[in-house]
Amino acid sequence: NAGVTQTPKFRVLKTGQSMTLLCAQDMNHEYMYWYRQDPGMGLRLIHYSVGEGTTAKGEVPDGYNVSRLKKQNFLLGLESAAPSQTSVYFCASTPGQGRTGELFFGEGSRLTVL
Amino acid sequence: DQQVKQNSPSLSVQEGRISILNCDYTNSMFDYFLWYKKYPAEGPTFLISISSIKDKNEDGRFTVFLNKSAKHLSLHIVPSQPGDSAVYFCAASARETSGSRLTFGEGTQLTVNP
Repeated sequence: NAGVTQTPKFRVLKTGQSMTLLCAQDMNHEYMYWYRQDPGMGLRLIHYSVGEGTTAKGEVPDGYNVSRLKKQNFLLGLESAAPSQTSVYFCASTPGQGRTGELFFGEGSRLTVL
Repeated sequence: DQQVKQNSPSLSVQEGRISILNCDYTNSMFDYFLWYKKYPAEGPTFLISISSIKDKNEDGRFTVFLNKSAKHLSLHIVPSQPGDSAVYFCAASARETSGSRLTFGEGTQLTVNP
């Protein structure tokens, strides 16, 4: 019963370093999302995907790239990390078209950029 | 601009009493509303939802009320239990929005005291 799995759970980076967060879901969901959570700001959408091979920008896409090469995986990349990207990142998925927007979330990945 | 707003960062209630969490929205295109609950170090989990064609939806101890004219919704928890202590996020979506994207509020930390 894995659901949505994020790796790594914690990471510390230096400014300018790069890294990739991996999200994997085993529910055969079409839609996947990356959100970031910051104190007092709720959850903000970074990028999302409505199917394998597709990606689109959310509210706060700058500084991030994503890829959805396989239906079950959604990768979030930081090419050159900045302290402003210190946050908790959540991946989510949902079955897709025709559903009511209920998202299934992973446990989060806490990223600190020094 | 914050399209979904939760004006109370925190709320404290006694066990057995009613908890009322509030949420306001500005986008008149929103037609589906959800509440999520989040415990520390976990991802948000879906709690209850309501479509804009209804003004009330109930699920056990949880009831969501929607006032479309005021662009306001509220979550009532009766009776409140210590296990309800968590951060509650209000979220909204619009039918025409690509990818069933949700817009979240800032969250309200609910503490239920024994």
